[in-house]
Amino acid sequence: GENVEQHPSTLSVQEGDSAVIKCTYSDSASNYFPWYKQELGKRPQLIIDIRSNVGEKKDQRIAVTLNKTAKHFSLHITETQPEDSAVYFCAALRNAGGTSYGKLTFGQGTILTVHP
Amino acid sequence: DARVTQTPRHKVTEMGQEVTMRCQPILGHNTVFWYRQTMMQGLELLAYFRNRAPLDDSGMPKDRFSAEMPDATLATLKIQPSEPRDSAVYFCASGDRREKLFFGSGTQLSVL
Repeated sequence: GENVEQHPSTLSVQEGDSAVIKCTYSDSASNYFPWYKQELGKRPQLIIDIRSNVGEKKDQRIAVTLNKTAKHFSLHITETQPEDSAVYFCAALRNAGGTSYGKLTFGQGTILTVHP
Repeated sequence: DARVTQTPRHKVTEMGQEVTMRCQPILGHNTVFWYRQTMMQGLELLAYFRNRAPLDDSGMPKDRFSAEMPDATLATLKIQPSEPRDSAVYFCASGDRREKLFFGSGTQLSVL
């Protein structure tokens, strides 16, 4: 099955700096890669996603890049703010049509702390 | 703003007791997932359903856990008998046909 590795496990930055979180996946047939943000005591929430036919996607201060050849994808947060502090999870999925029937496999998470 | 609804939000029980967690997926979503979250294991998939049919429950201890979806508006996760190592946050999530996943608020389970 799919295996997703996420690095780093913790990341500390100063407000205004950029933050980058990287993930690698094992199943070359995976074609959907979402990122979730989980604040303390809250539910994980989808913040951005990318499909395999696109190399990069941006939404204001966040962007995701995908390298299918190398099987890795990254989350980039620019101009970080204290409210960006949370746990971030990457995930990978192979849509129905393969045997995974749309099962998301998550990375282990990155604890991001943005210091004022 | 449609949301996945989970009950109860918190549950404290004694070892050996039965625990039932309920989930109401977003109307129209065809996939339902149960995840368990602990500090050590991150988000661990327990079971999931597509169009109410169970597709994969390989992550679930089958001797004590069971997951069902009696109708399109209700998914249940039961633990019988519960053990202290089951203490965790249990999330239900439902997915739309474009595979976007939406999580419920979770059930914080403590087994004493």
